[in-house]
Order: sequence, then C-alpha cells, then structure tokens
Amino acid sequence: GAVVSQHPSWVICKSGTSVKIECRSLDFQATTMFWYRQFPKQSLMLMATSNEGSKATYEQGVEKDKFLINHASLTLSTLTVTSAHPEDSSFYICSASAPGGGGNTGELFFGEGSRLTVL
Amino acid sequence: DAKTTQPPSMDCAEGRAANLPCNHSTISGNEYVYWYRQIHSQGPQYIIHGLKNNETNEMASLIITEDRKSSTLILPHATLRDTAVYYCIVRGNNNDMRFGAGTRLTVKP
Repeated sequence: GAVVSQHPSWVICKSGTSVKIECRSLDFQATTMFWYRQFPKQSLMLMATSNEGSKATYEQGVEKDKFLINHASLTLSTLTVTSAHPEDSSFYICSASAPGGGGNTGELFFGEGSRLTVL
Repeated sequence: DAKTTQPPSMDCAEGRAANLPCNHSTISGNEYVYWYRQIHSQGPQYIIHGLKNNETNEMASLIITEDRKSSTLILPHATLRDTAVYYCIVRGNNNDMRFGAGTRLTVKP
C-alpha cells in the first residue's frame, strides 16, 4: 500500500531555534497533505492543509507565521516550527491522500509522526 | 470539529469479537465514514471506510445503519495487538479528517 514517511522521527532542540519536519509520499503523488499535532493523551488536532504549489490553509488558532508549511513538490511537504518554545513540544503527524479512489473515496495515509521536544 | 461521538473506552476478551460503536448523526449524503486506529506513539493506521453499504476487509467489518447516523466497527477475533485507540471519522468534502476523542480498546487475555 501507499506509504507516507516523516523525518525526523524525533528531535530535541533548544528554545528559540527552528525545526523542520519533512513529510514524503514515497510511492504516490499527493497534491494535498495535512498536518496534525497531538499532545499526550489527546486526540490529533488538524493544524493545516498543505496544497502543492499554493499557500497552506491553516485552522483557526494556528499561527501561520510560527508553523511554516511548504509543499513545493507532489511528494514533499515540510513543516517548520519557528522560534520553538517548550509549549510547542508535541507529536506532529502528516497525512496524504493517495490517488485512484478519487475525491474522498481514497485512503488517507499517515506518517509515523515526529516527536518534538523543546528544552 | 469532529462530527462523531464514541465511547471513551472498551474492553474485549482475546479471541472474541470487538464491536466499536460510533454516532455520526449529522453526516451528509456524500460523506464517508472512516476508521483508523493508533497504537501508542505511532501514526494512525487505516482500517476501513464506507459510504452506506457494509464493508469487510482482512482487518475488520464496517456496519453502517440504513439512516447512516451510526456505524459499528467489528474486529472479528481480537488479539492483544489490537489494543489501541480507535477513531471513527467523517471525511469532509475537502478531504480533511478531523479526529474526535476515539475509543481506547483494551484487549485482555
């Protein structure tokens, strides 16, 4: 089946630095990818929708200047957490829709997640 | 906001069928019901999805009521490795998926 890969799987950084997380669709092209954040013992929260070749659409309450999303190709979307602070520590997960089914009939595959810890 | 409600937790004996209910009373006519599960510290794993007909695959069966206001995910022979949080999701028209709280299924020996 289709595979979505994230890198890095975990990262530790100092407060004030920026961290980039990559999301790749390995064997299919994804015009749309989604970014989620998950805090401990909570559900996944949709942060933004990443569209290839255009600006991302952010959910209400998500700072677009803090969470920079770039979807420059059909197989890669990146999420950059700028000037990270301890409260940004979380599990970040991306997903991509595989083609074939069309519209909302196809499967949505999720990456393995990236755990960010900001000291 | 999530358009589904699920019980927060359920237990199931190993080898028995696990039946996980989900209410989605505000589902629109062209919206699909998806089920995913998440094992601790991993990304969600796709299980099954359907529109209005019952569906079955190698992992599970999905039973959708005729009025489409609720559905049940059935794991026919639960194993210890099926212990996870199960999410029932109504997929939006713009393809996004919004997760509710899910059901934490614990399979006990």
